[in-house]
Amino acid sequence: KAGVTQTPRYLIKTRGQQVTLSCSPISGHRSVSWYQQTPGQGLQFLFEYFSETQRNKGNFPGRFSGRQFSNSRSEMNVSTLELGDSALYLCASSSGDFHNEQFFGPGTRLTVL
Amino acid sequence: DAKTTQPPSMDCAEGRAANLPCNHSTISGNEYVYWYRQIHSQGPQYIIHGLKNNETNEMASLIITEDRKSSTLILPHATLRDTAVYYCIVRPNDNNAGNMLTFGGGTRLMVKP
Repeated sequence: KAGVTQTPRYLIKTRGQQVTLSCSPISGHRSVSWYQQTPGQGLQFLFEYFSETQRNKGNFPGRFSGRQFSNSRSEMNVSTLELGDSALYLCASSSGDFHNEQFFGPGTRLTVL
Repeated sequence: DAKTTQPPSMDCAEGRAANLPCNHSTISGNEYVYWYRQIHSQGPQYIIHGLKNNETNEMASLIITEDRKSSTLILPHATLRDTAVYYCIVRPNDNNAGNMLTFGGGTRLMVKP
């Protein structure tokens, strides 16, 4: 079974631009969660989508948004990029059932200049 | 905020058991203990989880104290490939919480030859 796929793997943007990251979950999984990882703040939960609906949201500004499509693929968007948005963005997929294992992708490394 | 406390780093000799402690003194009755690890440059990987009974799988054993205020993850025969950051996470047994994981600082385990 193919794992979680994230594209692109690396991205360089400048301040003020916007960016869209993509995540393809494991086939059959309906839940996709997004996390931001930085050296200073560690791994922080952004949001979770389940069956095209946002089920949970972390404490991030409205510049961070996401969506999920009917095939469970998910995208996250960051508008008006700031230097502090430079991070590794990880997505995790799961079947959505409680206490199930979450499978993480390799991440997208975003650098904001 | 993370509800767990872990030592920031530990060393272990290759082939020996690695015992990683986690304090979760404010855990409530319906909260589970989860362990994930993150090998350098990869996404986190699920290891094991438990409520109050000890658990074992092909990767590790989880020992939870009777009062549930602490736990220990045991890697019975550590290898160099087990070098990673290990995260202990407390997760509510609540479907409203979805798949959100709250990561703390974790323990950086270095397995040495």
